[in-house]
Amino acid sequence: EVQLVESGGGLVQPGGSLKLSCAASGFTFSNYVIHWIRQAPTKGLEWVASISPSGGSTYSRDSVKGRFTISRDNTKSTLYVQMDSLRSEDTATYYCSTHSSYGFDYWGQGVMVTVSS
Amino acid sequence: EIVLTQSPTTITASPGEKVTITCRASSSINYVYWYQQKPGASPKPWIYDTSKLASGVPNRFSGSGSGTSYSLTINTMETEDAATYYCQQWSSTPWTFGGGTQLELK
Repeated sequence: EVQLVESGGGLVQPGGSLKLSCAASGFTFSNYVIHWIRQAPTKGLEWVASISPSGGSTYSRDSVKGRFTISRDNTKSTLYVQMDSLRSEDTATYYCSTHSSYGFDYWGQGVMVTVSS
Repeated sequence: EIVLTQSPTTITASPGEKVTITCRASSSINYVYWYQQKPGASPKPWIYDTSKLASGVPNRFSGSGSGTSYSLTINTMETEDAATYYCQQWSSTPWTFGGGTQLELK
């Protein structure tokens, strides 16, 4: 059974940093593009960043470029996102998701990040 | 950035009723993808490549469209279909979602 479990969320002050993790199991992690997607409270979905199977290529939306760094450790089947210079508008539930022909296929349960003083 | 605009934002339907949700793109896209999300749960893939049903999706759902106009249709609304539906495009980065359509049961 495919499982994605996010962790590392919490309350952080504006300008602060946080590192989220997404532990994967039930599939060959190193074969898949993986994404971070976020959802602000009561709002819609927003793609944040993606990483290739090897980790050699990464993509992110403009609003997080230079602040968020996506990475992966295929030996640990774990995805990360290092979030620096956090802003109030980064407050959201963050999901990791696998990529397949279905699009964003399997999703984790999400982890909440709150940026507030 | 390709903007996806869904309409209506909210729709209320009775069991057995036909429901159609529209997704319009600001530029032509090749395919649209749809996701279903219920309160407190993560989204699920629902329709891919515009018209193909993801695994386990009932065949009362269908998808269609091309270019800048796409739709998701439920032939006969059932209680379990109450949820928020999002369209999404892979044609160009940033990958974008529509604002969502909340489908409520009457």
